[in-house]
Amino acid sequence: EAQVTQNPRYLITVTGKKLTVTCSQNMNHEYMSWYRQDPGLGLRQIYYSMNVEVTDKGDVPEGYKVSRKEKRNFPLILESPSPNQTSLYFCASSFSPGNTIYFGEGSWLTVV
Amino acid sequence: AQTVTQSQPEMSVQEAETVTLSCTYDTSESDYYLFWYKQPPSRQMILVIRQEAYKQQNATENRFSVNFQKAAKSFSLKISDSQLGDAAMYFCAYRSGAGGTSYGKLTFGQGTILTVHP
Repeated sequence: EAQVTQNPRYLITVTGKKLTVTCSQNMNHEYMSWYRQDPGLGLRQIYYSMNVEVTDKGDVPEGYKVSRKEKRNFPLILESPSPNQTSLYFCASSFSPGNTIYFGEGSWLTVV
Repeated sequence: AQTVTQSQPEMSVQEAETVTLSCTYDTSESDYYLFWYKQPPSRQMILVIRQEAYKQQNATENRFSVNFQKAAKSFSLKISDSQLGDAAMYFCAYRSGAGGTSYGKLTFGQGTILTVHP
């Protein structure tokens, strides 16, 4: 089954404690990206990756890092989380930037 | 930069009736795609319908159809014969069809919460 898998789905953490949200897809997609969803703002792109070792900033990259060492994985790293990073996060992938985009189920992150 | 605006934070409809959700966008590009996504309480993102800008014909998917007005930069979603399962947050989204750094990025509107009354 084609899918994008995110972990953890739910996490409560404390300010400053580094965390990683993993994302994995089984469709051999080249294009992957991260979005955050906040009330009244819709979804906004954080980072994206065109292929292995190729990543770039989206609209709201501050406070986040990513890496793309393998084609299937695209983890989102919060080095020092702050309360304003409390949000719902989505990983998405597609075969190429112009193809159908598949979303993960979302990861609820609360920073206290 | 492209922007997408959904001016209706909330809408409601009676079961079996028709409702239209509004979306406008701003772009200087001629090649792009527009989407409507449904987000039920589970928060899953479900693609409802897609429209290519170069196509004049409005897209339809069963009870869902769009009214695409390219010159007016308007892209509304019509849901006919509304069902209780249609209750959700609906997002309008834009994606560039050209190359460059914005290629592949979805730009979303703020969302419209649709309530369906039995």
